[in-house]
Amino acid sequence: DSGVTQTPKHLITATGQRVTLRCSPRSGDLSVYWYQQSLDQGLQFLIQYYNGEERAKGNILERFSAQQFPDLHSELNLSSLELGDSALYFCASSVEGVRSYNEQFFGPGTRLTVL
Amino acid sequence: TQLLEQSPQFLSIQEGENLTVYCNSSSVFSSLQWYRQEPGEGPVLLVTVVTGGEVKKLKRLTFQFGDARKDSSLHITAAQPGDTGLYLCAGADNYGQNFVFGPGTRLSVLP
Repeated sequence: DSGVTQTPKHLITATGQRVTLRCSPRSGDLSVYWYQQSLDQGLQFLIQYYNGEERAKGNILERFSAQQFPDLHSELNLSSLELGDSALYFCASSVEGVRSYNEQFFGPGTRLTVL
Repeated sequence: TQLLEQSPQFLSIQEGENLTVYCNSSSVFSSLQWYRQEPGEGPVLLVTVVTGGEVKKLKRLTFQFGDARKDSSLHITAAQPGDTGLYLCAGADNYGQNFVFGPGTRLSVLP
């Protein structure tokens, strides 16, 4: 158990809909990262938040958005869903600092299926 | 933009064999990590290497960071079916920013 929690574990929805994925980082971690992993693909970095502020952005679509709240949990919002958005979405957290080396601890993921 | 390449992309071996997988880049990394991911689960951090030439051992796994900090290797001795999974390397640039993952090596160890 990494200490990172994600809900829901599975999500099935229809094209055009909007969903929200939730992540709670490990206790004490200030950074949250979101990744998308399609079937048999590597991890695609979407976005990183640090202590409530956006820190880095990857290949995140305009239909997707995220935020980190004062209690440090984060939500990833996916809207106008398309079939191609079906994937595993992972959240990871890390301790930031000179010696943290960005070591990331991943949650169990949310499997999104768009029908 | 820093990129990490991994080879081989796929590897299927028999239980008891040894293997080495590679992670390469044209850029210098301040640190490099290896993760293992099993199907349907999140990646799990195995090790972090930070010093050029560094070698770390984790039971049957040996990790090496290249002298120039541009590449790394993972050697598994006497592979077991439990070693099956996707092995990912990841690293940050010299400023600790621009963290990237490689595409992974998918290892299958047959009993």
